Amino acid sequence: EVQLVESGGALVKPGGSLRLSCATSRFTFRNAWMSWVRQAPGKGLEWVGRIKTNTDGGTTDYAAPVQGRFTISRDDSKKMLYLQMNSLKSEDTAVYYCTAQLANWGQGTLVTVSS
Amino acid sequence: QSVLTQPPSVSAAPGQKVTISCSGSSSTIGSNYVSWYQQVPGTVPKLLIYENNKRPSGIPDRFSGSKSGTSATLGITGLQTGDEADYYCGTWDTSLGVVWVFGGGTKLTVL
Repeated sequence: EVQLVESGGALVKPGGSLRLSCATSRFTFRNAWMSWVRQAPGKGLEWVGRIKTNTDGGTTDYAAPVQGRFTISRDDSKKMLYLQMNSLKSEDTAVYYCTAQLANWGQGTLVTVSS
Repeated sequence: QSVLTQPPSVSAAPGQKVTISCSGSSSTIGSNYVSWYQQVPGTVPKLLIYENNKRPSGIPDRFSGSKSGTSATLGITGLQTGDEADYYCGTWDTSLGVVWVFGGGTKLTVL
């Protein structure tokens, strides 16, 4: 069974930075397009961004609210996915999920942006 | 306001059938596959349907998906109390770059 385990969630002040990690196993990570999806408390799902496989160019796409502030990267040798979040705002408060091909989801990690 | 429009809530009795609609546009549903997700309160979203009407392994055939033009529909037959959850549609939006969009979600209540 595919395993995705996020870590790195924390309480951070507005304007601060945070890096989330997603450790993966039991599937061929290098062949998977990976996405981050978030869910604010009591709200719906919001796609954050995606990174293609290196075979497909390793390019990234982001949702408008995070474009220019968030960066997704991957390390195929470690089977790891990352989300670097800068200039954090209160509206970035959410549970952040790592997903493989938008099919398999991790348990999520909570990011709280508050002073 | 979501790019994909879903009814906020639907309800039906156990054993009955319910459908949940998802309305988009030519740059979303009209030109891309649709997925559906189930999120039972307090749990992680689970993929129910992909590529409009395909079910991942382990998803019962009580769940079905269809697409017509710029709209998609999730159908659930033989409703069970365990089906009470939030349901989300999702697809790619190619109007300005390439982004994935979710519907606002539909809360299913099994009366």
